[in-house]
Amino acid sequence: GESVGLHLPTLSVQEGDNSIINCAYSNSASDYFIWYKQESGKGPQFIIDIRSNMDKRQGQRVTVLLNKTVKHLSLQIAATQPGDSAVYFCAESGGGADGLTFGKGTHLIIQP
Amino acid sequence: GAGVSQSPRYKVAKRGQDVALRCDPISGHVSLFWYQQALGQGPEFLTYFQNEAQLDKSGLPSDRFFAERPEGSVSTLKIQRTQQEDSAVYLCASSFLGAQETQYFGPGTRLLVL
Repeated sequence: GESVGLHLPTLSVQEGDNSIINCAYSNSASDYFIWYKQESGKGPQFIIDIRSNMDKRQGQRVTVLLNKTVKHLSLQIAATQPGDSAVYFCAESGGGADGLTFGKGTHLIIQP
Repeated sequence: GAGVSQSPRYKVAKRGQDVALRCDPISGHVSLFWYQQALGQGPEFLTYFQNEAQLDKSGLPSDRFFAERPEGSVSTLKIQRTQQEDSAVYLCASSFLGAQETQYFGPGTRLLVL
């Protein structure tokens, strides 16, 4: 079936470096995409979102890029900090579905 | 409160018991969602309410799962005759209007069925 997936289960980066987390989606009818951060024992925390009429959106230290041609979504975190350690999920919405469809997540590990 | 709250945070049940999980959405949020998250996986959609109306229950895994939101605010997810495969974190989320808006999640209820 159609689903949202992530390329890497774990990403290790040095503190201060930039992090890039990738996501592939397969539902071409999806028109709303969200990145969530989930720390151990907590619920997903909204980071940034983007709609299909855009290809880039920036927040504080984070940027989301959307490439509809290849159905690819990425999250860039600038100057990664220890507090960025978490599992990151991309999620999609649209195509008639009421709920979000999540990928399996990428565990971001920050090396000192 | 400022965010979505859920109770209890942890629940241990013996197989065959019934459980009820509560969600208090952000005040004024029209839409409410329930998700199930297995260990090491992303959340999976269970059901969606707009005010008191349950508009989508396509993700409920069996007829043992039942959700309600009688007054359009607090919601309860009930699982009857719990099975070991029901062990998971149950997440509640709310959004201001509809499904195509930012969903804000609660901390979840971790259910363990023995």
